[in-house]
Amino acid sequence: AQSVTQLDSHVSVSEGTPVLLRCNYSSSYSPSLFWYVQHPNKGLQLLLKYTSAATLVKGINGFEAEFKKSETSFHLTKPSAHMSDAAEYFCVVSDLPTGGSYIPTFGRGTSLIVHP
Amino acid sequence: EAGVTQFPSHSVIEKGQTVTLRCDPISGHDNLYWYRRVMGKEIKFLLHFVKESKQDESGMPNNRFLAERTGGTYSTLKVQPAELEDSGVYFCASSRQGKSYEQYFGPGTRLTVT
Repeated sequence: AQSVTQLDSHVSVSEGTPVLLRCNYSSSYSPSLFWYVQHPNKGLQLLLKYTSAATLVKGINGFEAEFKKSETSFHLTKPSAHMSDAAEYFCVVSDLPTGGSYIPTFGRGTSLIVHP
Repeated sequence: EAGVTQFPSHSVIEKGQTVTLRCDPISGHDNLYWYRRVMGKEIKFLLHFVKESKQDESGMPNNRFLAERTGGTYSTLKVQPAELEDSGVYFCASSRQGKSYEQYFGPGTRLTVT
């Protein structure tokens, strides 16, 4: 069984300050982990993914996440927030493929608010 | 490359009516998925097609929901008859064969049942 918890429903930062979006997961096997972003009226866009390679994963738009097995965490960070980062972010876990496909479990989402 | 498209973007129907949602995946993507997000809740998996075949429909809530993918291209999701609890945003995603973890999502269809 797999589950994911996004610890904050909303995060508010000032432009130019660091971003931290927290995610904890539970998985019976070796999980694959993802972060997606959804801007208003747009589809979910894959930011980055961890699939058992390097534990520090770099994604698009300056985001990165670190897989920490001991803490069962996969927090998303960015050194300096930009106004365009304001969106909803989803942490996703998927463990062993079922019939050859990954069936993901989504977190509830974290809304990132960026103040000028 | 065109992205995943969904139609309509919004739909408002009355309880008991029928609604059909459509998803056009990225050309060449054999895998097609449907998800739903009920307000305030997580995005949940509904079902997965590989080409025209249903690979996994374990997430379909009940038999009022019918998904099809005739010809292995676009897919439809019909809700008949719609109930109030069916309101939410329905997402479609597609991926290449062998890369099912790299899913590309459409913008979603917001369904409101009144």
